[in-house]
Amino acid sequence: DAGITQSPRHKVTETGTPVTLRCHQTENHRYMYWYRQDPGHGLRLIHYSYGVKDTDKGEVSDGYSVSRSKTEDFLLTLESATSSQTSVYFCAISRAGGTDTQYFGPGTRLTVL
Amino acid sequence: GENVEQHPSTLSVQEGDSAVIKCTYSDSASNYFPWYKQELGKRPQLIIDIRSNVGEKKDQRIAVTLNKTAKHFSLHITETQPEDSAVYFCAASKNTDKLIFGTGTRLQVFP
Repeated sequence: DAGITQSPRHKVTETGTPVTLRCHQTENHRYMYWYRQDPGHGLRLIHYSYGVKDTDKGEVSDGYSVSRSKTEDFLLTLESATSSQTSVYFCAISRAGGTDTQYFGPGTRLTVL
Repeated sequence: GENVEQHPSTLSVQEGDSAVIKCTYSDSASNYFPWYKQELGKRPQLIIDIRSNVGEKKDQRIAVTLNKTAKHFSLHITETQPEDSAVYFCAASKNTDKLIFGTGTRLQVFP
């Protein structure tokens, strides 16, 4: 597996609380992505980054924000968690973007009660 | 924007039989089509990909075919084995920063 980690791996929180998920890579890849995986929906892109401080929205960005202050770290924040954000979140990295291999992190299982 | 549809959502085959998963895409400008495999409780991993200048690509027991005219591509697994049991995702991209994934196919191979 590529050098990519996610923290925490599991989290249970309550509705209305802020949550931050961290993705850390040691591969020096330019692109980083946040996906959520839900039954029947596959992998849906939340936000992605194409460089330090350069980010853009994906198909399901409402309720999420991201930041990338260093090449190796990409943070996903739920400002006020809702039950609909209960999901498995995967971070991925890619050297050259959408037409290159994406390497996924181990995932974070988030439960919002 | 790009939309990728994947069928079937579940597929059960006998060990040794072939399995075929099909995807269609909406944007004719898409030019990169990877397939990812996700075993239970694991992360997705790339198993094969194809670019629009190629009609077919093989890697041992797996192959991918692309029909640009019809805007669909397929994953073929021959001589299936129990370790092929997993969820398979197709995806499409058009020289942009991101991939659009299909909704996945759960393949079960029965011994």
